[in-house]
Amino acid sequence: SQQGEEDPQALSIQEGENATMNCSYKTSINNLQWYRQNSGRGLVHLILIRSNEREKHSGRLRVTLDTSKKSSSLLITASRAADTASYFCATPPGGGNKLTFGTGTQLKVEL
Amino acid sequence: NAGVTQTPKFRVLKTGQSMTLLCAQDMNHEYMYWYRQDPGMGLRLIHYSVGEGTTAKGEVPDGYNVSRLKKQNFLLGLESAAPSQTSVYFCASSLLGQGSTEAFFGQGTRLTVV
Repeated sequence: SQQGEEDPQALSIQEGENATMNCSYKTSINNLQWYRQNSGRGLVHLILIRSNEREKHSGRLRVTLDTSKKSSSLLITASRAADTASYFCATPPGGGNKLTFGTGTQLKVEL
Repeated sequence: NAGVTQTPKFRVLKTGQSMTLLCAQDMNHEYMYWYRQDPGMGLRLIHYSVGEGTTAKGEVPDGYNVSRLKKQNFLLGLESAAPSQTSVYFCASSLLGQGSTEAFFGQGTRLTVV
């Protein structure tokens, strides 16, 4: 069963706009991770936010975590065509050794 | 630095055939994982290993076997391939458990069973 679920499933924006995608999860976690997958490629780690953190930044990425609502959001500012990819949230249910992935948000950034 | 390398990248099998997918990492990671990715399903964990000589079942282990004889290699075997195993397979590794640190992924193996 899926631990995480991203919303929306697909998002299309213009270059320069901001993109926001959300992730909801079911059980308690000690961290939440976001990954990017370009078409036909492997996943690339973007950012890890721990359960005691509320917000984290990395370049044009901003991640928030609300453990009371069991949700996280990923904001990509000033998007570029190169940001076109699928984005996945991943959590280790119960703080275990394994990540469980959501079904992803497909982001398309148009010129 | 190669990171995580998967072999082969593409393969077509006939139903009932067997094959082994190889994953190699050069980062001295303890943990290694095999996932499958199907449309609309995200990634699902097949098997994983927490160190050399260890293996454990993930979410969808049936029809697959694994071995971790060397720390840097994690092999995924299909003894008798079925069309339901048509998928893209990803290997990943992490220094510590994925619950603590980021995972590094290979480029994937696209397997078609006809």
